[in-house]
Amino acid sequence: AQSVTQLDSHVSVSEGTPVLLRCNYSSSYSPSLFWYVQHPNKGLQLLLKYTSAATLVKGINGFEAEFKKSETSFHLTKPSAHMSDAAEYFCVVSDPASGTYKYIFGTGTRLKVLA
Amino acid sequence: AAGVIQSPRHLIKEKRETATLKCYPIPRHDTVYWYQQGPGQDPQFLISFYEKMQSDKGSIPDRFSAQQFSDYHSELNMSSLELGDSALYFCASSSRDRGGKLFFGSGTQLSVL
Repeated sequence: AQSVTQLDSHVSVSEGTPVLLRCNYSSSYSPSLFWYVQHPNKGLQLLLKYTSAATLVKGINGFEAEFKKSETSFHLTKPSAHMSDAAEYFCVVSDPASGTYKYIFGTGTRLKVLA
Repeated sequence: AAGVIQSPRHLIKEKRETATLKCYPIPRHDTVYWYQQGPGQDPQFLISFYEKMQSDKGSIPDRFSAQQFSDYHSELNMSSLELGDSALYFCASSSRDRGGKLFFGSGTQLSVL
């Protein structure tokens, strides 16, 4: 069975400092992994996705994530936080081998950026 | 804790039929979002409601309609179903007073034959 765990429900960083949002997954096969962002009272926006190509995935707005199979992790990083990065971030796992393509969403991490 | 409830879990319809999907948000959540996810595709935003009024509209076909009722549950009505409508439809709910974080339902798997 698939599952995804976002290790921090809230993360606060100062503007200009690095961002790290942690995600661990459980999947029976080679999963597809995604990060979505949700700005306040808005819908979801895809940041990036991993689908068994390069393990370091670059996304929009300077975000990137590294797939580490040995650690079953897919942490999201950004070198320098911007005020506009304040939002909710969801890690998502999907197991194409299961045939359902169903997304399993993490519980989200609220990123706060301090001036 | 209560979660977002969707019904039915699975639905099989034939072409040109109609379907109604239901979403029951977490209690005291005032906003509902609908997403459509085709096989192997990313979720596509369809429509959202806030306090029973449509708040945003995405790539929802004209054959589809939706509404949010006085008890805040929402229904997605789909008419003249096409094979391409086969997808997972999931909804999410949030509360604007509590920052608008999304909570997701498990989805309704619609198969159009």
